[in-house]
Amino acid sequence: SQTIHQWPATLVQPVGSPLSLECTVEGTSNPNLYWYRQAAGRGLQLLFYSVGIGQISSEVPQNLSASRPQDRQFILSSKKLLLSDSGFYLCACKAGGSSQPQHFGDGTRLSIL
Amino acid sequence: RKEVEQDPGPFNVPEGATVAFNCTYSNSASQSFFWYRQDCRKEPKLLMSVYSSGNEDGRFTAQLNRASQYISLLIRDSKLSDSATYLCVVTYSGNTPLVFGKGTRLSVIA
Repeated sequence: SQTIHQWPATLVQPVGSPLSLECTVEGTSNPNLYWYRQAAGRGLQLLFYSVGIGQISSEVPQNLSASRPQDRQFILSSKKLLLSDSGFYLCACKAGGSSQPQHFGDGTRLSIL
Repeated sequence: RKEVEQDPGPFNVPEGATVAFNCTYSNSASQSFFWYRQDCRKEPKLLMSVYSSGNEDGRFTAQLNRASQYISLLIRDSKLSDSATYLCVVTYSGNTPLVFGKGTRLSVIA
């Protein structure tokens, strides 16, 4: 079964600082990978998804970017964080090309000061 | 119209009660359906898939009505530990992202 590793669990960053969140997956090959953000008390917002190495689809224009340098690695980045970037960031994984459900990592709670 | 709509609740029910949530989806091409559970400040976790013929997992029963484009989740004999937000999820084809509803909050009260 697949395992999703996300770190760190919590992060406090000043406005204007850069960001790099990493997600790695074990137990599956060629997965579809996703980054979501959830603001406090709100629903999940899909930010990016990837169906393969170097393939990134962006759902919401913003100051974030994503990259997939390896099959089981998905990175969320920002050059300059905004206050509005605070939230709960979740990486998810699904078997590629299937109608299987997604599974989520434990998430990173990001606070911007 | 939103792709997946749920009543946000909260549903406040006593222990032992039966509670039902409905969810409607707008895209008739939807292929797969799921219910997820999300506890406060935690990641969503798959509760159960929803099959065309309906399916049951212990106290939980899921139903799908393709003609009316809605999905339901029934929880019998509610426990305090069932308190959570329940997310309705649909997907259209293998590589398209799952579409999540905003969730229905359930509080089971002693």
